[in-house]
Amino acid sequence: EVRLLESGGGLVRPGGSLRLSCAASGFTFNSYAMSWVRQTPGKGLEWVSGISGSGGATFYAESVKGRFTISRDNSKNTLYLQMNRLRADDTAVYHCAKDSARISGSYFDYWGLGNLVTVSS
Amino acid sequence: EVVMTQSPATLSVSPGERGTLSCKASQSVSSHLAWYQQKPGQAPRLLIYGASSRATGIPARFSGSGSGTDFTLTISSLQSEDFAVYYCQQYNNGPLTFGGGTRVEIK
Repeated sequence: EVRLLESGGGLVRPGGSLRLSCAASGFTFNSYAMSWVRQTPGKGLEWVSGISGSGGATFYAESVKGRFTISRDNSKNTLYLQMNRLRADDTAVYHCAKDSARISGSYFDYWGLGNLVTVSS
Repeated sequence: EVVMTQSPATLSVSPGERGTLSCKASQSVSSHLAWYQQKPGQAPRLLIYGASSRATGIPARFSGSGSGTDFTLTISSLQSEDFAVYYCQQYNNGPLTFGGGTRVEIK
């Protein structure tokens, strides 16, 4: 059974940093790309960033480019999202999602429940 | 980026009736279109990929159709567990983008 469990969210002040983690199990982690997708009541679902199975290729939405960094540790079956210079409009539930392919840019066959990040002073 | 527009925003349907959801892309996405179901407090679940292929374990009452810019998700006979929010997503070009969702509620 595929499981994706996010952690690391919470309340942070504007300009601050946070690192999200996603522990994966139930599949061969390094064989699949992974992504972060965020969700808000107002803007719905927004793809944030993706990374290839090997970790050699990374992709970002324009809204987070230069502020967020995606990475993965295939020895620990864990995906990360380092979020710097956070803004109020980054407030969202952040889902970890498994791509259906090795290279990022496809549909997502499994999602985590998500972790809430709140950016507020 | 490709803008995905879903309609209606809310669909009121009686159990046992057919539900038809629409998703339109601002430019052609070929057949690179997925549908997801999300219930309150749960993660999104993949229903359809490639515009018309059902994901593993998805009941046959869910079907997808369309290509290019116009897509449809049909639920042939709505069951109580089908009342949820449904999202479409394109993965043809540019950043991956989602529609705003259609809430299917009990009439």
